[in-house]
Amino acid sequence: SAVISQKPSRDICQRGTSLTIQCQVDSQVTMMFWYRQQPGQSLTLIATANQGSEATYESGFVIDKFPISRPNLTFSTLTVSNMSPEDSSIYLCSFSLGSGTGGDTQYFGPGTRLTVL
Amino acid sequence: AQSVTQLDSHVSVSEGTPVLLRCNYSSSYSPSLFWYVQHPNKGLQLLLKYTSAATLVKGINGFEAEFKKSETSFHLTKPSAHMSDAAEYFCVVTLFNDYKLSFGAGTTVTVRA
Repeated sequence: SAVISQKPSRDICQRGTSLTIQCQVDSQVTMMFWYRQQPGQSLTLIATANQGSEATYESGFVIDKFPISRPNLTFSTLTVSNMSPEDSSIYLCSFSLGSGTGGDTQYFGPGTRLTVL
Repeated sequence: AQSVTQLDSHVSVSEGTPVLLRCNYSSSYSPSLFWYVQHPNKGLQLLLKYTSAATLVKGINGFEAEFKKSETSFHLTKPSAHMSDAAEYFCVVTLFNDYKLSFGAGTTVTVRA
């Protein structure tokens, strides 16, 4: 199966700054997603990264705060903008090889552990 | 809308004894169900999934889960725990026509020597 990687693996940032997280899959995939895992919590879907068009955001997440790019079928970025300590979380990307229907397995990257001071 | 409830936030077992992680789901339609594991400082790894085929699903590392529609449950079991099973486990549900995953709160498994 395809291999997925994320950069950076972790970072410590100052409040008010922005961080861009990269997600790379070693083969073309249909769908890519971004999740947030707050400390001690489960995963929450931020958005679906659509190739060639604007990302689809979930309730509670907005493009100005979490701009997402997906320039091709193997790569996506998530930017966490104007960070505050509340943004300290693990950010994970995932992909699916299917057409986006239920039952498609999502494969997850190793995550980016972000700490905002 | 679909959701899952993991009935135990923490499970502690002795090495070599059985592991049972309980998950109940709520779904209006035929669900697809998954179990993922997250080891410390690692990403999520798929253990197994159910998608309306056999109700007893076998996964990796000796884990299996049984889909029981009458009980709306999808409990994860392993006959004999190993130290390497210490991790966070997530039960996940999605609808047959939807890619969005709904995660349970997670169950932390510790294994005593």
